[in-house]
Amino acid sequence: GQQVMQIPQYQHVQEGEDFTTYCNSSTTLSNIQWYKQRPGGHPVFLIQLVKSGEVKKQKRLTFQFGEAKKNSSLHITATQTTDVGTYFCAGNQAGTALIFGKGTTLSVSS
Amino acid sequence: DAGVIQSPRHEVTEMGQEVTLRCKPISGHNSLFWYRQTMMRGLELLIYFNNNVPIDDSGMPEDRFSAKMPNASFSTLKIQPSEPRDSAVYFCASSFGQGRDQPQHFGDGTRLSIL
Repeated sequence: GQQVMQIPQYQHVQEGEDFTTYCNSSTTLSNIQWYKQRPGGHPVFLIQLVKSGEVKKQKRLTFQFGEAKKNSSLHITATQTTDVGTYFCAGNQAGTALIFGKGTTLSVSS
Repeated sequence: DAGVIQSPRHEVTEMGQEVTLRCKPISGHNSLFWYRQTMMRGLELLIYFNNNVPIDDSGMPEDRFSAKMPNASFSTLKIQPSEPRDSAVYFCASSFGQGRDQPQHFGDGTRLSIL
């Protein structure tokens, strides 16, 4: 069945350093979404990518969808302590359930 | 606007007891999802409703789990009888649209502990 893999599982950075998490699917996706979950909180939708090669930015966050629509990445420039949390990618094929990756947990020390 | 509302926020009960989790989706949203989150298995979809009709319940673990959506503004997830391995955070999420491609809005979750 469809699987969505995320790496790394954990990442610790110093405040001001960059951070990247990667998402890979075993199948071609119709769309990919990214969510952030703060410790003790719930997943919050960040962005959706649907086009091959698409790149979207939200302030210090840059999201990419691969040309083959099987992988995606989230890059955070100059991390801040407010970036702490778990970042999930989720993807699906048209008409099927959204599959969430296991997430990358980011910790930031000041 | 109110987000997805779940109750209770926390539930601690003994194994064998019936547990009922409740969810009120965002007004106007016509898709509703129940998820279970654990450290080991991550975020798992249990069941998906569209326009109050269960469309995909392939993620429901076993017959002890059941879910209903009697109207557009209310859904329940019931576990009977409960077991310690059911301990997890249960999230309800809603979205607007026909398919499952739409961004989902999650409630705060119910943290369930079965002793």
